[in-house]
Amino acid sequence: SQTIHQWPATLVQPVGSPLSLECTVEGTSNPNLYWYRQAAGRGLQLLFYSVGIGQISSEVPQNLSASRPQDRQFILSSKKLLLSDSGFYLCAWSAATNTGELFFGEGSRLTVL
Amino acid sequence: AQSVTQLGSHVSVSEGALVLLRCNYSSSVPPYLFWYVQYPNQGLQLLLKYTSAATLVKGINGFEAEFKKSETSFHLTKPSAHMSDAAEYFCAVSPRSARQLTFGSGTQLTVLP
Repeated sequence: SQTIHQWPATLVQPVGSPLSLECTVEGTSNPNLYWYRQAAGRGLQLLFYSVGIGQISSEVPQNLSASRPQDRQFILSSKKLLLSDSGFYLCAWSAATNTGELFFGEGSRLTVL
Repeated sequence: AQSVTQLGSHVSVSEGALVLLRCNYSSSVPPYLFWYVQYPNQGLQLLLKYTSAATLVKGINGFEAEFKKSETSFHLTKPSAHMSDAAEYFCAVSPRSARQLTFGSGTQLTVLP
């Protein structure tokens, strides 16, 4: 069966520090991968998605970047965090051809102080 | 373009009572529709999905939803609420692709003893 792992689960970082959140998927090949952000009291905002290694699409301009160095690995990064980057970050995957069904990781809660 | 409106950011029901969470959508093409559930500090889990087959869709944990094209609605129901149903519920619409999935703002369900 397929599983998705996301880490770290919780992170507290000072403003201006770098960020790296990692996500890996097991049990499937060539998945579509996604990074979402969920700010307090808000819905989900799609940040990045990837249909293959090295192929990243950004949905919104921001202080973050994403990379996909391997087929089942997706990394969310920042060089210098802002206060507004605080939130709950969710990685998700879907089959390469699908109707919209996403499988989510457990999430990473980032607090920027 | 598509959009989702969830009426009521907070819904409270008594244990054993009917659960009704409302979702209305707009879409320029026949949509695929989804309900996801999120427990505190966890990722989202798919409850059920409509992909143009039967209009009454049954999901996990006793939930079901009915696609009503004339009303552009996809309301989520459960005949009898259980304490374990307390969570946040998200309705989502997709034209045909997961990367075009649009989430509603969510409804927090509280179940009272």
